[in-house]
Amino acid sequence: NAGVTQTPKFQVLKTGQSMTLQCAQDMNHNSMYWYRQDPGMGLRLIYYSASEGTTDKGEVPNGYNVSRLNKREFSLRLESAAPSQTSVYFCASSESVNTEAFFGQGTRLTVV
Amino acid sequence: QKEVEQNSGPLSVPEGAIASLNCTYSDRGSQSFFWYRQYSGKSPELIMSIYSNGDKEDGRFTAQLNKASQYVSLLIRDSQPSDSATYLCAVKGVDSNYQLIWGAGTKLIIKP
Repeated sequence: NAGVTQTPKFQVLKTGQSMTLQCAQDMNHNSMYWYRQDPGMGLRLIYYSASEGTTDKGEVPNGYNVSRLNKREFSLRLESAAPSQTSVYFCASSESVNTEAFFGQGTRLTVV
Repeated sequence: QKEVEQNSGPLSVPEGAIASLNCTYSDRGSQSFFWYRQYSGKSPELIMSIYSNGDKEDGRFTAQLNKASQYVSLLIRDSQPSDSATYLCAVKGVDSNYQLIWGAGTKLIIKP
């Protein structure tokens, strides 16, 4: 049972480039999330999807877009990467918005 | 602004002793409380969830919740060097639209 799987694990982008971070879960969870984690700032929610077919902005959505492709998959897109988006990105899922979240292994993104 | 506060540490505890980690939160409507462990360079891992006042025990871990004081704690008995990690407190409730509000984490060091 893989849980939450993110790809890629590492990525270096040049300023202005675009990329999509992929996330898939095999726990039949309804809710999925994208977080970023920066040193000393804790986890910050970028976007979430409470259920298939819905997406909502979190605390720091600017510069990002998301797609809930189906119940299993939730992608995060950076349209024009900026150095301020250098961070570690985590995808997570939960059975519902009321229950505990389980995390993927993370993507370490550097924008130069 | 809903907040979750943790002492950043590091908290240094001798091996075999009890480690006590504390967390306070500002939203009185919070309903669900979680402790996650995060090793350096890894993703957060759920340790405990607690939903009602009192203590909840799971092996060497005990979570304590006091909603009146808006306080949640995690006790680790018989601390082991492998417990050395950053411990994240997270809270969710109706007023946060059931999204997790995260503390910045407490770094715990268990000294052999």
